[in-house]
Amino acid sequence: SQQGEEDPQALSIQEGENATMNCSYKTSINNLQWYRQNSGRGLVHLILIRSNEREKHSGRLRVTLDTSKKSSSLLITASRAADTASYFCGGRNTGNQFYFGTGTSLTVIP
Amino acid sequence: DGGITQSPKYLFRKEGQNVTLSCEQNLNHDAMYWYRQDPGQGLRLIYYSQIVNDFQKGDIAEGYSVSREKKESFPLTVTSAQKNPTAFYLCASSITGLAIYNEQFFGPGTRLTVL
Repeated sequence: SQQGEEDPQALSIQEGENATMNCSYKTSINNLQWYRQNSGRGLVHLILIRSNEREKHSGRLRVTLDTSKKSSSLLITASRAADTASYFCGGRNTGNQFYFGTGTSLTVIP
Repeated sequence: DGGITQSPKYLFRKEGQNVTLSCEQNLNHDAMYWYRQDPGQGLRLIYYSQIVNDFQKGDIAEGYSVSREKKESFPLTVTSAQKNPTAFYLCASSITGLAIYNEQFFGPGTRLTVL
């Protein structure tokens, strides 16, 4: 599977601030999904955005997709200490291959 | 963690031993997957199965084997041929393996340590 890349690798913010994470990928995709992983746990699906969509919202989450730049961003607004986790992008490309990014480790300081 | 269970949570193995990791799902999903996660890296696909009695190699299948005799079960065996087996192993499932918009549901993971 082709690896994606998240940026930054680590992010530390104060509670109440917004957190933005970026994901870049190399080949054309059918969809891109964002996952959350608490330390030592499995991944939890957060949101899916299709290749023909540009923006999607879910609660405090906002995901954008720019297929011309092969990138996506995840914005978490009004962050909470409980948002502390690693966040991964992943999904399937048009070759039906799975890909996952290397993750952004987010720390929200109370 | 949805309806996917993995056991055990922690597993220790001596070099040269085979070990089998369990993955069970009660979501009635056709497709199941095994990933390996190493520190600072994303998930890498080991094997996946789109339907019972069928499975395909992922990117890093060497040293691993699987079976899919039942829809709800997809055990992974880490053999002695896997040179660097210490890692966090994640099992996932999705409704089907073919539809491109299906999300994957993940189990809680098994951390394997080779002593």
